[in-house]
Amino acid sequence: DGGITQSPKYLFRKEGQNVTLSCEQNLNHDAMYWYRQDPGQGLRLIYYSQIVNDFQKGDIAEGYSVSREKKESFPLTVTSAQKNPTAFYLCASSIPQGGNYGYTFGSGTRLTVV
Amino acid sequence: AQSVTQLDSQVPVFEEAPVELRCNYSSSVSVYLFWYVQYPNQGLQLLLKYLSGSTLVKGINGFEAEFNKSQTSFHLRKPSVHISDTAEYFCAVSVRWEYGNKLVFGAGTILRVKS
Repeated sequence: DGGITQSPKYLFRKEGQNVTLSCEQNLNHDAMYWYRQDPGQGLRLIYYSQIVNDFQKGDIAEGYSVSREKKESFPLTVTSAQKNPTAFYLCASSIPQGGNYGYTFGSGTRLTVV
Repeated sequence: AQSVTQLDSQVPVFEEAPVELRCNYSSSVSVYLFWYVQYPNQGLQLLLKYLSGSTLVKGINGFEAEFNKSQTSFHLRKPSVHISDTAEYFCAVSVRWEYGNKLVFGAGTILRVKS
């Protein structure tokens, strides 16, 4: 079955560490997205990629970085510059112009700073 | 700017009662509207979407929504809820930006179904 796989499901980060969240899809979707979810704030877009080797900053990109070397993969790195990284992170994918058709979401990674 | 407002942060309801989750959007152009459901510690699952055509849209799990252009609303309804419907529900609208189209999400409504 096609879908999006996010790993790990739970991740703990120490102060000053960089961590990388994995997102892999086998839907043959061109576009991929990273969202951050905090209670009562909905979903906020971190980064967006519509094609391999290209990506754009979303609304809250500071302290995050991404790469898109393969169509199937869109990893997110939470750097030490992100001062409040504890949140639930969701990866999504879609066909081009996916805003008109909807996204497919992964099951999320919960990141906690310890 | 296009935005989505979910008017209730939490909606408590008894099992087998009807429910309406409210969503209003701001837009002066054609809109594509969506409702997603999120169960605890899971991703979002598409419930239904309005792209064009009939203003009453039926989705999964017995949910439906009505697009009302004059009131810029897209409220989600279910005539009889179950305990298993307890989840967070997100309304979303498609907006144009410099890189194409993207979804903008509301803040979410937590539906709590009580027995």
